[in-house]
Amino acid sequence: GEDVEQSLFLSVREGDSSVINCTYTDSSSTYLYWYKQEPGAGLQLLTYIFSNMDMKQDQRLTVLLNKKDKHLSLRIADTQTGDSAIYFCAESIGSGGYQKVTFGTGTKLQVIP
Amino acid sequence: EAQVTQNPRYLITVTGKKLTVTCSQNMNHEYMSWYRQDPGLGLRQIYYSMNVEVTDKGDVPEGYKVSRKEKRNFPLILESPSPNQTSLYFCASTKKDRASGNTGELFFGEGSRLTVL
Repeated sequence: GEDVEQSLFLSVREGDSSVINCTYTDSSSTYLYWYKQEPGAGLQLLTYIFSNMDMKQDQRLTVLLNKKDKHLSLRIADTQTGDSAIYFCAESIGSGGYQKVTFGTGTKLQVIP
Repeated sequence: EAQVTQNPRYLITVTGKKLTVTCSQNMNHEYMSWYRQDPGLGLRQIYYSMNVEVTDKGDVPEGYKVSRKEKRNFPLILESPSPNQTSLYFCASTKKDRASGNTGELFFGEGSRLTVL
């Protein structure tokens, strides 16, 4: 089955690191994504990781994937007030022409100046 | 500019009054989808379309209809809206073909906030 879970809220101080966690249940995921939703806007892809990778780094962002535990995390280094948003974890499942994307509940990140 | 455009952005209506939320994309994407976002529940898929004249139910299709007569447009229809359809709705699109380099990134519209009284 497919189910993606995240904690609902995270608060950090500006300059600290943020770690947002996600667990998923479908071991056949091909891609795992992190989307960012700023207030009043749609979701935008922040980063992604292919299921055969363990880690991906992109500037201040580090994605870690533990396939054994079905755990995905997003670390934001030197968190800024502009990082305040809702972060959604998502997994892509399937093969061929259609891959279903299932989203988590979203984690609201609050950055305290 | 590549974009997904939804209208209206905000709508207040009454129970039973039919409404349509339009969605249009200019990226020639085959795949389009509708989601609703509710607090604590994340995004749930309502309907999706793999291509023109091909639509299928997502996880929460009850009370909704869609059509895909043209590649760029994918309207969401609420024939008889009820208060439990008060939500924030998002349309999204992506390339269907998972050719090399295509990560399946979904491109989202800015959302349509619907209130049903």
